[in-house]
Amino acid sequence: EVQLVESGGGLVQPGGSLRLSCAASGFIFSNYRMNWVRQAPGKGLEWISYISSSSDTIYYADSVKGRFTISRDNAKNSLYLQMNSLRAEDTAIYYCAREYGSGNYYYTPYGMDVWGQGTTVTVSS
Amino acid sequence: DIQLTQSPSFLSASVGDRVTITCRASQGISSYLAWYQQKPGKAPKLLIYLASTLQSGVPSRFSGSGSGTEFTLTISSLQPEDFATYYCQQLKSHPLFTFGPGTKVDIK
Repeated sequence: EVQLVESGGGLVQPGGSLRLSCAASGFIFSNYRMNWVRQAPGKGLEWISYISSSSDTIYYADSVKGRFTISRDNAKNSLYLQMNSLRAEDTAIYYCAREYGSGNYYYTPYGMDVWGQGTTVTVSS
Repeated sequence: DIQLTQSPSFLSASVGDRVTITCRASQGISSYLAWYQQKPGKAPKLLIYLASTLQSGVPSRFSGSGSGTEFTLTISSLQPEDFATYYCQQLKSHPLFTFGPGTKVDIK
């Protein structure tokens, strides 16, 4: 079964740090681009970070740039999100999501076809 | 940055109704648009990609259309399991993705 399982969420004080993990199974993790998407309580979806299959290309949303770091370990089939200098507005459910697309030389993105169940991060004193 | 708006933000409908949700982009995105369904407490589910291609396993009552700046998601006959929130997502500026604000479909 194709699956993504996030872990590492919790309660942290403003200014603190957390490291989220996403364990992949049921597919060849190293072949896929991956993303982190978050959802604040009662709000919509916000894309926050992308990493290519070989980690050579990384992007962040402006809201987390300079504070969050995405990484992956293809040998361990795992995706990570290091979150530093956390703020109250970072409180959200964090999802890892597999990117779906086609082509190598000219890549066409289709969307995010596999999502984890989410891990909750609460930033509060 | 490419911004997305959705209308309506909320709609109340009955089982069997035909439902249409609109997503508009602030600039042309060709057909680089996906639609997702999210139920309470669950992760989003990809329904449609490239504006009109149905993801594998998604019922045929769902359809998508549009290109450029205006897109629609249509549910031809609303079923009880379709009550959820629907999001559009633009992929033109890959990988700087943007989601629309969502449309909640509720039971009348």
